[in-house]
Amino acid sequence: LAKTTQPISMDSYEGQEVNITCSHNNIATNDYITWYQQFPSQGPRFIIQGYKTKVTNEVASLFIPADRKSSTLSLPRVSLSDTAVYYCLVGGLGNQGGKLIFGQGTELSVKP
Amino acid sequence: GAVVSQHPSRVICKSGTSVKIECRSLDFQATTMFWYRQFPKKSLMLMATSNEGSKATYEQGVEKDKFLINHASLTLSTLTVTSAHPEDSSFYICSAPRRTYNEQFFGPGTRLTVL
Repeated sequence: LAKTTQPISMDSYEGQEVNITCSHNNIATNDYITWYQQFPSQGPRFIIQGYKTKVTNEVASLFIPADRKSSTLSLPRVSLSDTAVYYCLVGGLGNQGGKLIFGQGTELSVKP
Repeated sequence: GAVVSQHPSRVICKSGTSVKIECRSLDFQATTMFWYRQFPKKSLMLMATSNEGSKATYEQGVEKDKFLINHASLTLSTLTVTSAHPEDSSFYICSAPRRTYNEQFFGPGTRLTVL
């Protein structure tokens, strides 16, 4: 399974756009890239998933370059409630049945 | 949407007792589930893969006799922490992949405190 690397922490202010980049140099052909959000004492919550190019949903966008060796999660206008740990994961059902190995994650702190 | 539940949400027990944690997929079937452990301010650590109808697969360094996993049906996996000790105190989280959408859903977690 591909290892992921993200910044340990990031700070932002309310209303700003936040971009968190993740590197996954050893991504396999059948791997998807999925981002999760976790609040303290809760299970991770799905944010967005993509395979290539750009994906957008109601809460975020995911940018994936052609080589797929990195990805960027974009949160358009953050609020205080977006303070959480964000995990980038690489894997899929075609790779060890969906097994996911968590990296260190990025602790995002949003200030007023 | 798909939901994975865990029971109990928190448990406090005395050292030496065994504790069972249930993980259920509520609206989809899961032939595979995963169990994680998370210590404060740390990332999730994969403990084992629970396989319906067969033995669980444990990650390196995880004692299979200590953490018993049973995947009795397509919607239920249980993790039993046997002879629990204070160092087993942690946040235990399960997950289940939903095949149709190549998406994995996580349970809300179980906080175990061993006194």
